[in-house]
Amino acid sequence: EPEVTQTPSHQVTQMGQEVILRCVPISNHLYFYWYRQILGQKVEFLVSFYNNEISEKSEIFDDQFSVERPDGSNFTLKIRSTKLEDSAMYFCASKGSGETQYFGPGTRLLVL
Amino acid sequence: KNQVEQSPQSLIILEGKNCTLQCNYTVSPFSNLRWYKQDTGRGPVSLTIMTFSENTKSNGRYTATLDADTKQSSLHITASQLSDSASYICVVSSNSGGYQKVTFGTGTKLQVIP
Repeated sequence: EPEVTQTPSHQVTQMGQEVILRCVPISNHLYFYWYRQILGQKVEFLVSFYNNEISEKSEIFDDQFSVERPDGSNFTLKIRSTKLEDSAMYFCASKGSGETQYFGPGTRLLVL
Repeated sequence: KNQVEQSPQSLIILEGKNCTLQCNYTVSPFSNLRWYKQDTGRGPVSLTIMTFSENTKSNGRYTATLDADTKQSSLHITASQLSDSASYICVVSSNSGGYQKVTFGTGTKLQVIP
């Protein structure tokens, strides 16, 4: 069964550094999402992406964040200058023509 | 403001017993409601998805109900197994102007013990 994959599984970075989290959505899906989950808290929506542009973003998704679909398979989340509070699990999800979003296994980001 | 509240926060049950998890929401306009299972440190996995016109939907030992009038949903787990230990998250979507907004509940942490 096709799956959403994410790399890396874990990332440790210094405050102020840039990180890029990568996702490979399910191949025929057209809608892509990033979520984050701070340890012990609920999942929070960051951004949705369709037709090569952002369709929706939350208040969390400020100028430090950007998303890109650099080629036909990858979907990336870039955090330009990481802060301590960016430490979280970041989930990518993709959706086809149905209603269900399929989540990847997540990237655990730790900012020191 | 769109909100999804779940109860109880946590629950411990004996293996083989049934349990019911609750979800109340104030999301508008309503598009669909999904229940996800999230194992610790993993991504959520979809269990059921229900639209406005659906009252009940089953997926194996999981049965979800939806009352769109009272804006309540429940997830019933039958004959629980140790592998059911996870967080169960209620997620409500609204569709406005073609954009899908998703609101996650805080989850119910279920522990099934032998």
